[in-house]
Order: sequence, then C-alpha cells, then structure tokens
Amino acid sequence: DTEVTQTPKHLVMGMTNKKSLKCEQHMGHRAMYWYKQKAKKPPELMFVYSYEKLSINESVPSRFSPECPNSSLLNLHLHALQPEDSALYLCASSQEWGALSYNEQFFGPGTRLTVL
Amino acid sequence: AQTVTQSQPEMSVQEAETVTLSCTYDTSESDYYLFWYKQPPSRQMILVIRQEAYKQQNATENRFSVNFQKAAKSFSLKISDSQLGDAAMYFCAYRTALHHSNYQLIWGAGTKLIIKP
Repeated sequence: DTEVTQTPKHLVMGMTNKKSLKCEQHMGHRAMYWYKQKAKKPPELMFVYSYEKLSINESVPSRFSPECPNSSLLNLHLHALQPEDSALYLCASSQEWGALSYNEQFFGPGTRLTVL
Repeated sequence: AQTVTQSQPEMSVQEAETVTLSCTYDTSESDYYLFWYKQPPSRQMILVIRQEAYKQQNATENRFSVNFQKAAKSFSLKISDSQLGDAAMYFCAYRTALHHSNYQLIWGAGTKLIIKP
C-alpha cells in the first residue's frame, strides 16, 4: 500500500468554526508532513513530525494545531481561521526525516479548504 | 541557502512530441537529491523522477529522463512521446543529503505543461 489518504476532500468553514483535517498512511513511514498550497504555487511546508514528535514548525500561526496520535495518523486542527487561509492542504509521508537515501515524499490528494 | 529556479511558467507541446522543462538550482553542498514532481489538475502530487548528485548517470523512467549537469547546477526534465495525461504542473525540488541539516524539500515555482492534441 503506497497510498496517503486525506479526509475530507473539501471543507468550507466559517471564521469561528473548529474543524480538523485527517491524514493516514500505512507504509510504515516515520515522518509525516503538512503543507499549504495556493493555486499555481509550490507547496509550503507547515509542520514535520518524526517518530510522532514535532520536528519542524515553520512559524505557523497557532490557529493551526497539528497532532500525531500514532505513526500512521496525522491531524491538523483548525480554529478561528482567516479567509487568507483558504488553500489546498496536503499531507505527505516519507520513510524518515533525515538524510537517509532519497526519502521521497508520498503525497495525499489534499483537502480543499475554503474559509468564509 | 539553497534555491531552485524554474524559468518557464508555462510550456506547451504537441501530443507525441518531446518537451524539455528546465530547472536550475543554487547550492554550496556537494551531496544532495533532486526530484521532479508532477501535479495533475486532480491535485495529487506524484514523484516523476529522482537523481542523486553523486551519480553521473542521468536518471530515466520510461518516457521521462533528466539531463543532470552538476557543474552547471542544472536539472532539466525531458518528456518523450508526450501524452494527454502528461498535462500537469511540474515542480523541481532539491533536498540536502547532509546529516544534521534541514531536510525539507526546496521547491521551484513550477511549470505548467499543456499538451495539444
């Protein structure tokens, strides 16, 4: 199984709502990532989890709260978002967070988030 | 700091023909990895091809091949016999191979590839 799954596919939320994005992989990967992608732009790294511990937080506002309950699952909790947070949110995983070989990242299909 | 430049925002090619997407990068490191990712309109980002900097031989994956010029810091992607399904955004990316460093992917701005039937 070389698949990363993400739910939901689409999400519309108001600025006062609380919602969560979910990501799952069963490839035995120990690194998982959250990216934000605006239209026609490359992905921007938000968070990296390595062995279920937060390794990288790219100065992301606290209205985004990541969680890694176990090695297969990654959540992104959303609260009090702004309209400019509307974007495609991509999850990815790789064998490890490190210099080991290619460590290629496998991406999920993304969640299209719209903040009204 | 490393940077990746894709100078072609958009390219178009006739179906069945060959197209080359350019990518240059800047780094002071000697060991690193380079990647081409494809993102079709359906959004799923897929790895197309990868190259280790210490390997002189250019990587090839079926119709996709790279021209890796380490001294020139160039990593172009050639797509042969273009197919309608090749239409996508193509991103070039760099990652360090050095330990005790930041292992995140450094992305180019992307090239939109249009396939004309």
